[in-house]
Amino acid sequence: SAVISQKPSRDICQRGTSLTIQCQVDSQVTMMFWYRQQPGQSLTLIATANQGSEATYESGFVIDKFPISRPNLTFSTLTVSNMSPEDSSIYLCSVETDIGTQYFGPGTRLTVT
Amino acid sequence: AQSVTQLGSHVSVSEGALVLLRCNYSSSVPPYLFWYVQYPNQGLQLLLKYTTGATLVKGINGFEAEFKKSETSFHLTKPSAHMSDAAEYFCAVSTIQGAQKLVFGQGTRLTINP
Repeated sequence: SAVISQKPSRDICQRGTSLTIQCQVDSQVTMMFWYRQQPGQSLTLIATANQGSEATYESGFVIDKFPISRPNLTFSTLTVSNMSPEDSSIYLCSVETDIGTQYFGPGTRLTVT
Repeated sequence: AQSVTQLGSHVSVSEGALVLLRCNYSSSVPPYLFWYVQYPNQGLQLLLKYTTGATLVKGINGFEAEFKKSETSFHLTKPSAHMSDAAEYFCAVSTIQGAQKLVFGQGTRLTINP
């Protein structure tokens, strides 16, 4: 497994602003992912954060709205841009340490007013 | 493409009773199957996983699940529920061919009655 931390743990933001969420893992990992969990819903994959190249986005998610950085094998950021109340969600990062097995961070709870 | 169906968005059991949370999957290739638990205001914790080998897998906190290929199921059980088991449980599937993408079910909220 891995120890994963996220910052901030929660935030309240005004519409039209942007928030950058950080994900730090205690060991080098190849695969890092970002998920969204809307209120009362399950998790949806936003993108795979690739080290040294552009992130791979899932259908319905675009780079302009959710830019992702992956400068090294232990760190990634997700930015939620030009926020609206519909972006209020929990955002979670995950890493894969064992083949096919993902471990999750504690999440960032975002409220947009 | 893979998909997961969790039968029952809410399950309520008495303390000490059997816990059974149902999960059915769809996959055209051999799946990797997972159960995660989410306690209030927390992230997801891996309970157990099936990749290959023994079809009955044991996880943390006394939970276990059995992979049944013929039924495309991966139900989660615990013989005796404890109050601390109250949480949201998610079943998920991936395949090695699926670039490690996890597809989640809708979740089952487990309530334990004293």
